[in-house]
Amino acid sequence: GAVVSQHPSWVICKSGTSVKIECRSLDFQATTMFWYRQFPKQSLMLMATSNEGSKATYEQGVEKDKFLINHASLTLSTLTVTSAHPEDSSFYICSATSLSGPGDIQYFGAGTRLSVL
Amino acid sequence: DAKTTQPPSMDCAEGRAANLPCNHSTISGNEYVYWYRQIHSQGPQYIIHGLKNNETNEMASLIITEDRKSSTLILPHATLRDTAVYYCIVRVAGSGGNKLVFGAGTILRVKS
Repeated sequence: GAVVSQHPSWVICKSGTSVKIECRSLDFQATTMFWYRQFPKQSLMLMATSNEGSKATYEQGVEKDKFLINHASLTLSTLTVTSAHPEDSSFYICSATSLSGPGDIQYFGAGTRLSVL
Repeated sequence: DAKTTQPPSMDCAEGRAANLPCNHSTISGNEYVYWYRQIHSQGPQYIIHGLKNNETNEMASLIITEDRKSSTLILPHATLRDTAVYYCIVRVAGSGGNKLVFGAGTILRVKS
């Protein structure tokens, strides 16, 4: 099956610093990648949709200047949390779409747990 | 995308079939039913999807009612490793850019 790799899996940073999370599709090309955030005991919330070579589309309430998304190639998207604060501590998960048959399937990375001190 | 309703939790004995229901009474003709699961502290895992015919793969079976207003995910022989949150999602498919909207899902606990 399609594999999505996310790195790092866990990061701790000081308040005010920036953190970059990478999402790679290892064995397929992904024209669209998605970034989600999940707080403890809650469901996944979509943050943004990223298309290769174009600007990301952010969901309502997500600050685009704080969560910078770059999708420079068909296999790599990055999420940078700028000037992170403790309230940004969360589980960040990416997914990528591989067109397959009559429907399409999102394949997810293992997630990145961010802790901001 | 149509809204789905799932029970908040279910228990299943190890080795028995787990039947997870999902209601999607407002589903439209071009919306598929997708099932994902999320094991604790991991990213969601795709299980299966279908439009109107029943589907089966190596992980599970998906039974969709004739009127498409509800469906059931069946794990034929549940194991302890199947303990997870199971999400039923309906959405239009085909373009690759259609987002998934996750609800609360069903917490399935498989017990020995």
